[in-house]
Amino acid sequence: EIVLTQSPGTLSLSPGERATLSCRASQSVSSSYLAWYQHKTGQAPRLLIYGASSMATGIPDRFSGSGSGTHISLTISRLEPEDFAVYYCQQYGGSPLTFGGGTKVEIK
Amino acid sequence: QVQLHQWGAGLLKPSETLSLTCAVYGGSFSGYYWSWVRQPPGKGLEWIGEINHSGSTNYNPSLKSRVAISVDTSKNHFSLKLSSVTAADTAVYYCARKDYFYHYMDVWGKGTTVTVSS
Repeated sequence: EIVLTQSPGTLSLSPGERATLSCRASQSVSSSYLAWYQHKTGQAPRLLIYGASSMATGIPDRFSGSGSGTHISLTISRLEPEDFAVYYCQQYGGSPLTFGGGTKVEIK
Repeated sequence: QVQLHQWGAGLLKPSETLSLTCAVYGGSFSGYYWSWVRQPPGKGLEWIGEINHSGSTNYNPSLKSRVAISVDTSKNHFSLKLSSVTAADTAVYYCARKDYFYHYMDVWGKGTTVTVSS
């Protein structure tokens, strides 16, 4: 099983600041099979990025993804109030599909 | 616009079987995998398994012995059964559409809270 480790566990930032979230895989995964989701309490997860760097439909361009192999990143260029949530990376380069443990982006 | 509507029993006793169904509205049922994901209280997301329109399944090995996912293409429904539940199976359960090639999940149901308690 490919283990995804996200860091930091919690990111305390103010609106307008830049957020950089990290996701490391226990073994190399094709970029095609790496994705990021935003999850707010009481809502379904929302796909942000697929293929490590491709934006999903309707996602604001302040979100961007980068990286490959064993390390990908999600960057939110300027945090808006609605961006405070938990973010998960996900892989399916090898079965089973796995998610990282999540990074909570909270208001400082 | 594709929507997923899910339903099922929300309160179970230990050893009972969890049963959830997800209906797909507004889009093609073929050409995707249809997945189940859960989130226990205070924890992260866990993939349970998936099925395609022809009935081919993949399961998380951690749950494989207790899980069965089935499909009814005549109704555009797919279903999850998880047997012998315990308190550890208490979670919000989501159905989701998974892309066939890139394996991301882009359409999700709203989630069903399932509580296992005696």
